[in-house]
Amino acid sequence: AQSVTQLDSQVPVFEEAPVELRCNYSSSVSVYLFWYVQYPNQGLQLLLKYLSGSTLVKGINGFEAEFNKSQTSFHLRKPSVHISDTAEYFCAVSPAQGGSEKLVFGKGTKLTVNP
Amino acid sequence: DSGVTQTPKHLITATGQRVTLRCSPRSGDLSVYWYQQSLDQGLQFLIQYYNGEERAKGNILERFSAQQFPDLHSELNLSSLELGDSALYFCASRGGRTNTGELFFGEGSRLTVL
Repeated sequence: AQSVTQLDSQVPVFEEAPVELRCNYSSSVSVYLFWYVQYPNQGLQLLLKYLSGSTLVKGINGFEAEFNKSQTSFHLRKPSVHISDTAEYFCAVSPAQGGSEKLVFGKGTKLTVNP
Repeated sequence: DSGVTQTPKHLITATGQRVTLRCSPRSGDLSVYWYQQSLDQGLQFLIQYYNGEERAKGNILERFSAQQFPDLHSELNLSSLELGDSALYFCASRGGRTNTGELFFGEGSRLTVL
């Protein structure tokens, strides 16, 4: 079974500052990793994903994440945030092969960007 | 727009009642997943269907059931509703000809039980 821990439930930052949202996972098998964003009163939208290959993945809206297998982490970063990045961010994991391939989500990190 | 459609968007009902939530997956997607999002539990996987067959079950209560029809749309039935069932229910789909790993989510059905 897989599990995800998002270490910060809330992250406040100022506009144009860098941000890192932390995610650690646990799994006995190889995994795929995802970051989703949820804006108020909306569904979940994929920001980026790691399936294989380069451990640094780039996503939409200037976000990137780095897969670190030895530390079982997949932290999300953005060098300069905007007010519009205020949202809740979810890290998710699924087994790379076999099974139902359901996504297991962390509890989310609320990013608040202040002017 | 993810291509996944959920109805209704909002639903208010009373304890003890029964409701049905409907989901139309993206065109060509064979898998449908249901998730429940609540403040205390976060996003919890409920159940998955693949091409009409139940594929995996998560923390789904016995009062809840789901099915996927031949046209691939899915329904989640919630019965004997309790206050604690108030939540946002998401449907997601995946598994068309090109499976790129991620799930595509609808905008959710917000259920309020009074």
